[in-house]
Amino acid sequence: EIVLTQSPGILSLSPGESATLSCGASQTVYRHFLAWYQERPGQAPRLLMYGASTRATGIPDRFSGSGTGTDFTLTISRLEPEDFAVYYCQQYASLPRTFGQGTRVEIK
Amino acid sequence: QVQLVESGGGLVKPGGSLRLSCVASGFTFSDYYMNWIRRSPGKRLEWISYISGSSRTIFYAESVKGRFTISRDNTKNSLFLQMDNLKAEDTAVYYCARALPENFYAYVDSWGQGSPVIVSS
Repeated sequence: EIVLTQSPGILSLSPGESATLSCGASQTVYRHFLAWYQERPGQAPRLLMYGASTRATGIPDRFSGSGTGTDFTLTISRLEPEDFAVYYCQQYASLPRTFGQGTRVEIK
Repeated sequence: QVQLVESGGGLVKPGGSLRLSCVASGFTFSDYYMNWIRRSPGKRLEWISYISGSSRTIFYAESVKGRFTISRDNTKNSLFLQMDNLKAEDTAVYYCARALPENFYAYVDSWGQGSPVIVSS
């Protein structure tokens, strides 16, 4: 089983700043089959990124993803008020599919 | 617009059974892999099971294998999760989720709002 570890647990930032979220895998994620999701309170998770770096439909270009192997990053430039939420990474390269524990991006 | 609406959750005693349903709309249901994912209190999201569009391919997490059964009815755009021999650790919000493309490396692109299940005596 691939264990995903996200850091930091909490990121305190101000609107307009940039956020860098990390997701580390316990073993190589085949063909960087890694996704990122955003979860706002009371809402279902929303797909942001798949294939580590491909934005999902309708996701603004201030969201970018990178990484390969065991280290992946989600960057949010110029944080908007609606970006303050919890972010999860998930690998879909092997079974069982696994999720990171989440990074909360909160308003400083 | 993709919509996934779960139902069937509730309070059940340990050892009991429950059947979750998910009705899909806004897309051709039979073209997609479908998943069940859960979040237990204080724990991370846990993938439980997925089923291919034709129902030929099914996988389960070890934690539910032998107790949970995933199925679908493409004529009714519905996904099901039969949960038997429930344990306290199955207490969670259960999400129905669509995945694409239709192969082993499908990623979840849409989620339902979730259905809470509480296993307690």
